[in-house]
Amino acid sequence: KAGVTQTPRYLIKTRGQQVTLSCSPISGHRSVSWYQQTPGQGLQFLFEYFSETQRNKGNFPGRFSGRQFSNSRSEMNVSTLELGDSALYLCASSLEQGARSDEQFFGPGTRLTVL
Amino acid sequence: AQKVTQAQTEISVVEKEDVTLDCVYETRDTTYYLFWYKQPPSGELVFLIRRNSFDEQNEISGRYSWNFQKSTSSFNFTITASQVVDSAVYFCALSETMDTGRRALTFGSGTRLQVQP
Repeated sequence: KAGVTQTPRYLIKTRGQQVTLSCSPISGHRSVSWYQQTPGQGLQFLFEYFSETQRNKGNFPGRFSGRQFSNSRSEMNVSTLELGDSALYLCASSLEQGARSDEQFFGPGTRLTVL
Repeated sequence: AQKVTQAQTEISVVEKEDVTLDCVYETRDTTYYLFWYKQPPSGELVFLIRRNSFDEQNEISGRYSWNFQKSTSSFNFTITASQVVDSAVYFCALSETMDTGRRALTFGSGTRLQVQP
């Protein structure tokens, strides 16, 4: 079974631009979560999508948004990029079945550099 | 708020040594889940173990073992006979119930393990 895939793997943008990152979950997984990893703040939860609906959100500004498609693939968008948005963005998927719904499997991440 | 503390920022050992990575957590949830993930240089977080708050049995998987002690809010991870391939950053995480009622992972700051040949 293929794992979580994320594209692109690396991205360089300049301040003020916007960026869209993509995530394809493991086949059969319907929940997709996004995390930001920076040296200063560590790993922080951004948001979670399930059945095309955002059902959980971390403490990030509105410049960070996302969506999920009917095939469970998800995209996240960051508008008006700031230098501090430089980070590794990780996507995780989980199988929404009872007690194992917390078990998240991560993709390789997209490393975003904002110049 | 939930919190996960990994006090060891970096540990360096020589191959074949045993090493224990510490994790202490705080939560008001009565039911919660704890995780360990490994992050090799490639960046992908690799799932190692999930433990729920009602299961305090220690677990062993090959060279890996986990000691969960609810009384001290700790969930420590031991690698026996470490190998160079174990070099990575290890994260402890707590499944946190947010205001939405949904859970999300709260991660510790990670422990970088260097295993020298």
